[in-house]
Amino acid sequence: EAGVAQSPRYKIIEKRQSVAFWCNPISGHATLYWYQQILGQGPKLLIQFQNNGVVDDSQLPKDRFSAERLKGVDSTLKIQPAKLEDSAVYLCASSPTGENTGELFFGEGSRLTVL
Amino acid sequence: AQKITQTQPGMFVQEKEAVTLDCTYDTSDPSYGLFWYKQPSSGEMIFLIYQGSYDQQNATEGRYSLNFQKARKSANLVISASQLGDSAMYFCAMRDFTGGFKTIFGAGTRLFVKA
Repeated sequence: EAGVAQSPRYKIIEKRQSVAFWCNPISGHATLYWYQQILGQGPKLLIQFQNNGVVDDSQLPKDRFSAERLKGVDSTLKIQPAKLEDSAVYLCASSPTGENTGELFFGEGSRLTVL
Repeated sequence: AQKITQTQPGMFVQEKEAVTLDCTYDTSDPSYGLFWYKQPSSGEMIFLIYQGSYDQQNATEGRYSLNFQKARKSANLVISASQLGDSAMYFCAMRDFTGGFKTIFGAGTRLFVKA
């Protein structure tokens, strides 16, 4: 089965510019996660979708970050305007829903550098 | 609120020896899952092992075992017979099953395997 797809893999922008990341989860996975991983740190949950509804976005900086998951499949994460501290790898993951459902399946990540 | 704590920023182990990576967690949910992931320098997140909160026996996957002590809220990863390829970042993660399947990660432990 195809894995989690993310694009672009790399992006370099100037501060105050905007950027968008795309994620296509594994087919049939109802839950989709966006994590921000700053170099040397653990992944930080930005937003979690269940189908096309938001389950948790408590750590999403809503003044500059937005995310949507149309039709409960693909998702887009946008940053506008970007700040230097947004430089990180943005990881998308998906999983089935239910107890004892095991692992999250991760994409390769999108590395953002803000200059 | 959920919390994952990994107190060892870095660990050294001699090749062929066993090593324990510590993880403690905090949650008020009665049903949850605990995970360990490996992240080599290439950046991909590799699932290692999973333990459900109601599982009676400790999980094992090849050279990996999870020492689950529910009363102490700890879920330590034991790697037996360390190999040079085990050098990587290791993350402990927790997913609650009653609050929307939110999944959070610890700060990670960097493991160095010496020849």
